Amino acid sequence: DQQVKQNSPSLSVQEGRISILNCDYTNSMFDYFLWYKKYPAEGPTFLISISSIKDKNEDGRFTVFLNKSAKHLSLHIVPSQPGDSAVYFCAAIALNSGNTPLVFGKGTRLSVIA
Amino acid sequence: ETGVTQTPRHLVMGMTNKKSLKCEQHLGHNAMYWYKQSAKKPLELMFVYNFKEQTENNSVPSRFSPECPNSSHLFLHLHTLQPEDSALYLCASSQVSGLTSGGATGELFFGEGSRLTVL
Repeated sequence: DQQVKQNSPSLSVQEGRISILNCDYTNSMFDYFLWYKKYPAEGPTFLISISSIKDKNEDGRFTVFLNKSAKHLSLHIVPSQPGDSAVYFCAAIALNSGNTPLVFGKGTRLSVIA
Repeated sequence: ETGVTQTPRHLVMGMTNKKSLKCEQHLGHNAMYWYKQSAKKPLELMFVYNFKEQTENNSVPSRFSPECPNSSHLFLHLHTLQPEDSALYLCASSQVSGLTSGGATGELFFGEGSRLTVL
């Protein structure tokens, strides 16, 4: 049973437009959420995170929104750039529930078209 | 060197071979992880070492054997693998705060991965 779901395996967006990547989770104990970005032949790198006590966190072109009641979070990239083309992984952790590791989604491949 | 480094980056082996993947972290972290990434699957956690002690083994077959000699080094020994074991194996590290994995932020630092092909 997947606790973190990214239902869109891929997404194509025109350069300059907004990219919206979605993530759903099932475990209500998750209290911290992260997005990782992965280029081919490289390991994932941390992008942005959000605590469950917030509903929005912004860092430059990247904004993560959290809807706890819907158990849903999304990553917005605006404006999208060709260099943003990568696989984006959503991850979640139950920080206040002991020694639990991150749980990852399957990833969404974003292609930004120039 | 900085960050998390993995060697080799690419490995091709037969099913009867014995090989090892190596991971080294230069971040002063006290927890290290092995993840497996297969096509169209989530990142699968294989092993966790906190303070050099193995704390998690997610039902990984015994043909994968981890070794953590110190907090900076992590190995994955491979023996009689199957073709379905072909995948990208990612090492990661984090600073454990004592209670939680990944420290206060849950952030993992990944290596670039070792692409394994089993023939």
